[in-house]
Amino acid sequence: DSGVTQTPKHLITATGQRVTLRCSPRSGDLSVYWYQQSLDQGLQFLIQYYNGEERAKGNILERFSAQQFPDLHSELNLSSLELGDSALYFCASSQQGTYNEQFFGPGTRLTVL
Amino acid sequence: DQQVKQNSPSLSVQEGRISILNCDYTNSMFDYFLWYKKYPAEGPTFLISISSIKDKNEDGRFTVFLNKSAKHLSLHIVPSQPGDSAVYFCAARRFYGGSQGNLIFGKGTKLSVKP
Repeated sequence: DSGVTQTPKHLITATGQRVTLRCSPRSGDLSVYWYQQSLDQGLQFLIQYYNGEERAKGNILERFSAQQFPDLHSELNLSSLELGDSALYFCASSQQGTYNEQFFGPGTRLTVL
Repeated sequence: DQQVKQNSPSLSVQEGRISILNCDYTNSMFDYFLWYKKYPAEGPTFLISISSIKDKNEDGRFTVFLNKSAKHLSLHIVPSQPGDSAVYFCAARRFYGGSQGNLIFGKGTKLSVKP
């Protein structure tokens, strides 16, 4: 158990809908990262938050947004969903530091029908 | 353009033998490399890392080698055990002064260790 929790585990929805994925980082970790893993693809970095502030952006679509709340949990919002958005979405957290590894949650499997 | 490449999608080895997983990268600004292991239905788990100032790091049965001139790293598992069967991801990070950069992952190599 990494200490990172993600809800829900599975999500099935229709095209055009909007969903929210939730992540609680490990206790004490200030950074939260979101990754997408599509079929046969590696983990694609989407966005990073540090202590409530956006720190870095990766290949995140404009239809997607995220935020980190004062209690450090984070939410990833996916809107106007398309079939191609079906993927595993992972959240990871880390301490602030030069060489701290990231700890991953179990992921949310999103299926868009 | 993939900055981190794992060219072997799968690898099969016999229990007790050595497993060697390879990873190539293109960005010379990467300063830190990590290996993650992933079982089905679970998130990736950190395995071992190496800083760009080193060429080898060992942790029990796991050793990572870094060849900066070749932009190549490898993970050695000796001896391999059936429980090592998983997908292994290589990841790299570029350090932005004062802040930790995001990880760039390869597509993974599926290791199967046969009893």
